[in-house]
Amino acid sequence: DIQMTQSPSSLSASVGDRVTITCQANQDISNYLNWYQQKPGKAPELLIYDASNLETGVPSRFSGSGSGTDFSFTISSLQPEDIATYYCQQSDDFPLTFGGGTKVEIK
Amino acid sequence: QVQLVQSGAEVKKPGASVKVSCKASGYTFTSYYMHWVRQAPGQGLEWMGIINPSGDTTSYAQKFQGRVTMTRDTSTSTVYMELSSLKSEDTAVYYCARSLSRSQWLAPCHWGQGTLVTVSS
Repeated sequence: DIQMTQSPSSLSASVGDRVTITCQANQDISNYLNWYQQKPGKAPELLIYDASNLETGVPSRFSGSGSGTDFSFTISSLQPEDIATYYCQQSDDFPLTFGGGTKVEIK
Repeated sequence: QVQLVQSGAEVKKPGASVKVSCKASGYTFTSYYMHWVRQAPGQGLEWMGIINPSGDTTSYAQKFQGRVTMTRDTSTSTVYMELSSLKSEDTAVYYCARSLSRSQWLAPCHWGQGTLVTVSS
């Protein structure tokens, strides 16, 4: 199975801050990397697919980059409604696997 | 708009089976793969498997092989996930999620509301 290592596991930042989360795969997954946002008690929502493509309707303050084994996800200006847990997920091979999640809080 | 409506919460005893349904609407049911993902309380996301509603083909995570069965009913646009030999560790919220597109079939995009399955004696 492809292992996805996400960091940090949690972070606290101020409104307006730039926030970056990293995700590392233990083998080359090309650009087959997706990012999800999950708010408490809700289903996950797809934000970014294929490493850098913004899903329809997702605010442009969210972005993703990377290829191969190293990926990053950025919120350019953190908003109060961005409080959530974020997950990366590889879609290169079965079984699909997720990172452990990053909980984002407001300082 | 795409809607996935799942069946209600279940409480099962260890060793029993559970069957969760996911009724799709707002798109052509047979054109998009459906994933099942679960989340134990306070834990992360775990992919269980995928079904192609068109050909009824499936692929399951090794962890669940032999215990999980995913099926579909095209007449009602509903997919089902049955998990047998339940253990307390299977207590989780189970989600169905439609693929993003025909090409990005391994990106779960539209998610159901989740079904809590509690396994307790």
